[in-house]
Amino acid sequence: NAGVTQTPKFRVLKTGQSMTLLCAQDMNHEYMYWYRQDPGMGLRLIHYSVGEGTTAKGEVPDGYNVSRLKKQNFLLGLESAAPSQTSVYFCASKVPDTYEQYFGPGTRLTVT
Amino acid sequence: EDKVVQSPLSLVVHEGDTVTLNCSYEVTNFRSLLWYKQEKKAPTFLFMLTSSGIEKKSGRLSSILDKKELFSILNITATQTGDSAVYLCAGKNSGGSNYKLTFGKGTLLTVNP
Repeated sequence: NAGVTQTPKFRVLKTGQSMTLLCAQDMNHEYMYWYRQDPGMGLRLIHYSVGEGTTAKGEVPDGYNVSRLKKQNFLLGLESAAPSQTSVYFCASKVPDTYEQYFGPGTRLTVT
Repeated sequence: EDKVVQSPLSLVVHEGDTVTLNCSYEVTNFRSLLWYKQEKKAPTFLFMLTSSGIEKKSGRLSSILDKKELFSILNITATQTGDSAVYLCAGKNSGGSNYKLTFGKGTLLTVNP
């Protein structure tokens, strides 16, 4: 049982490049989330999904897209990276019958 | 817009001290408040509080919620260097089925030997 895993752990992009961050969970959780964390800003919700095939916008969705084609995977895409998207990205899934969210180890992204 | 405010933003103490971290919230149709501990990597769950006035305890950590005054505190007694971390609180509203959490900015706790 690996929990929530994220790929890659680190990435450096040039402005305008695209990339996809992968989140995978093996706990059969329905709800999954993508957050970004910036110094002094706490965790801000980018997009979330309440089940396979569904996605919804969070607090800071601009510049990002997501897909949830399979229940266990939640992908976060940056189509044209900008320096403002330099951040640590966390994926999480919700434990059933609680509000607790279980977090992955994070992806540190730098856009130059 | 839901809002969660934590104070202080940072705190430095010595081993053995007792600390109190504060979290106030303005969450529409408030349902629960959660506390997380974040060391180097992912936040890990500590407590979830739904009922006012009922203390949750885990070892040296305890937390209580005041739904009338809209705040929660996290107490850590006899602090150890391993307690050094960012402590995050998050509010959950009861709206629909989205199960979203609104996080505060966190309190950075440093415990010196």
